Amino acid sequence: NAGVTQTPKFQVLKTGQSMTLQCAQDMNHEYMSWYRQDPGMGLRLIHYSVGAGITDQGEVPNGYNVSRSTTEDFPLRLLSAAPSQTSVYFCASSYDKQNYGYTFGSGTRLTVV
Amino acid sequence: TQLLEQSPQFLSIQEGENLTVYCNSSSVFSSLQWYRQEPGEGPVLLVTVVTGGEVKKLKRLTFQFGDARKDSSLHITAAQPGDTGLYLCAGAPSGTYKYIFGTGTRLKVLA
Repeated sequence: NAGVTQTPKFQVLKTGQSMTLQCAQDMNHEYMSWYRQDPGMGLRLIHYSVGAGITDQGEVPNGYNVSRSTTEDFPLRLLSAAPSQTSVYFCASSYDKQNYGYTFGSGTRLTVV
Repeated sequence: TQLLEQSPQFLSIQEGENLTVYCNSSSVFSSLQWYRQEPGEGPVLLVTVVTGGEVKKLKRLTFQFGDARKDSSLHITAAQPGDTGLYLCAGAPSGTYKYIFGTGTRLKVLA
């Protein structure tokens, strides 16, 4: 099915470990973004991309890296996990954010112990 | 700094009541979207408003974009338990590509 695919769905990390959250879309969308959502709260923008090879920081970028080598893939890397990074992470993509909004993946629930 | 503030934060009402959710900013947006999110899932787009003063209706939901394109509202008529969820406004401030979300309004409709 077409859409945004995130892996893994669940992950437990120890403090200081690194990992990569994968995100892929097959809709040929130029715009992609990563968000984190803490319990009972809205979504906060971590990093975003407006096309292959172009990335920029969002509202809460510290502790995270991204790259966009292809239109389809937009991985998020946690450099050295901290308990404060325990959250649900959503990847999203858009063809034209102004008129069509974003399509979201099903999320990755990350716990850092 | 949260550029999109929603109110109220929580709302618990009886089935059949009406309600309005507000989304406010000091920044101008080229468009705003409204989403609904169910537990364990990603947000799902409900509507896009583009023109200042625009009103869009989606069954019992009415969305309005402020004349100055700095605010929006969502009105639900005769709420039903199926309307329960987290409602989020979102958009990119004019001149930027940062697509940000509001603080969210958690609605619970009691049968």
